[in-house]
Amino acid sequence: GQQLNQSPQSMFIQEGEDVSMNCTSSSIFNTWLWYKQDPGEGPVLLIALYKAGELTSNGRLTAQFGITRKDSFLNISASIPSDVGIYFCAGPGLTSNTGKLIFGQGTTLQVKP
Amino acid sequence: DAGVTQSPTHLIKTRGQQVTLRCSPKSGHDTVSWYQQALGQGPQFIFQYYEEEERQRGNFPDRFSGHQFPNYSSELNVNALLLGDSALYLCASSSITDTQYFGPGTRLTVL
Repeated sequence: GQQLNQSPQSMFIQEGEDVSMNCTSSSIFNTWLWYKQDPGEGPVLLIALYKAGELTSNGRLTAQFGITRKDSFLNISASIPSDVGIYFCAGPGLTSNTGKLIFGQGTTLQVKP
Repeated sequence: DAGVTQSPTHLIKTRGQQVTLRCSPKSGHDTVSWYQQALGQGPQFIFQYYEEEERQRGNFPDRFSGHQFPNYSSELNVNALLLGDSALYLCASSSITDTQYFGPGTRLTVL
């Protein structure tokens, strides 16, 4: 079945540094979503990408939909302590663009003040 | 504008019992999806409801069932609870024009 692989699995960085994480798949996705999850909370949607090659920003966050439609990356610039959390990439399964979402295993980000 | 809400926030049950979790979708959304998230994992899709019917189902046993009401709210029922059912249960709502937004989740502990 479809799977999403995220890397790195975890990151420990200094406040102010830039962060880059990515998500790859062996199959094509038509939509890429990036979520952030704080402990004990539900995932919060950060950025949605709908077109191959699309580059979208949301404040200090920038994400790109890979041209092959098999990957996506998320960059965070000038990290701050509240960026701490788990970042998930997700995409809809093959059967429907409005159906189930498949999630990666997550990238855990820790920021040292 | 309220987002997705879920109740209860926490629940403790014993093996063999049954549990019902509830979800109210974001305003303007008509589709509700349920996910199970075990500790340290990404969410796993259980099923999705649209127009009061189960539209899509993930790889979960029949012990997991659901319902959607005319006001688009939804319930997740789990029968004959197992220790392995302990997890964060997430509800997400969406529409044909909007992607999935998640609620805060219900933490279920099975003893």
